[in-house]
Amino acid sequence: LAKTTQPISMDSYEGQEVNITCSHNNIATNDYITWYQQFPSQGPRFIIQGYKTKVTNEVASLFIPADRKSSTLSLPRVSLSDTAVYYCLVGDPGNYGQNFVFGPGTRLSVLP
Amino acid sequence: DADVTQTPRNRITKTGKRIMLECSQTKGHDRMYWYRQDPGLGLQLIYYSFDVKDINKGEISDGYSVSRQAQAKFSLSLESAIPNQTALYFCATSDPGLDSTDTQYFGPGTRLTVL
Repeated sequence: LAKTTQPISMDSYEGQEVNITCSHNNIATNDYITWYQQFPSQGPRFIIQGYKTKVTNEVASLFIPADRKSSTLSLPRVSLSDTAVYYCLVGDPGNYGQNFVFGPGTRLSVLP
Repeated sequence: DADVTQTPRNRITKTGKRIMLECSQTKGHDRMYWYRQDPGLGLQLIYYSFDVKDINKGEISDGYSVSRQAQAKFSLSLESAIPNQTALYFCATSDPGLDSTDTQYFGPGTRLTVL
């Protein structure tokens, strides 16, 4: 499984765009990049998944460069309610013998 | 996710006691997981099951055991609880055959305190 590295914590202010970068230098050809969000005392929930280039949904965007050795989760115009821990996971969802691994995540604090 | 339920939600017990945490799901997923989360830290995988006949150890299985009674039920047992097993425990489900992203859906968690 590809190991991921992301910042332990980040601070931002309401209304700003937040970009959280994840490094995954040994990502495999069939691996996808998945991000989860976790609020205090709740289980993580899926935000977005991508393989290459850019993916966007109603919550976030995911930017993946051509070499796929890193990825950036972009949260537009954050609010206080976006304060959470964000996890970057790398793995092959089509590999029935593999499961995704959660690392320590990035703790995002949004300040007023 | 209300489709994944955990019981109990909170439990206080004493060192040496046997404890069982239960997880049920109505999503029809094949895969089920048990995670542990210590304060301020990420999730650590204890055990996972890809189907009823398949049980696998995760990163921190020592001191824990599991039982997959049915597709919908996955129980975690602490045979002899110790204080450093005090943590928040999450159950999750997924099914890459139904969802190509293999998204994991988490239960509300069980807060376990071992005195």
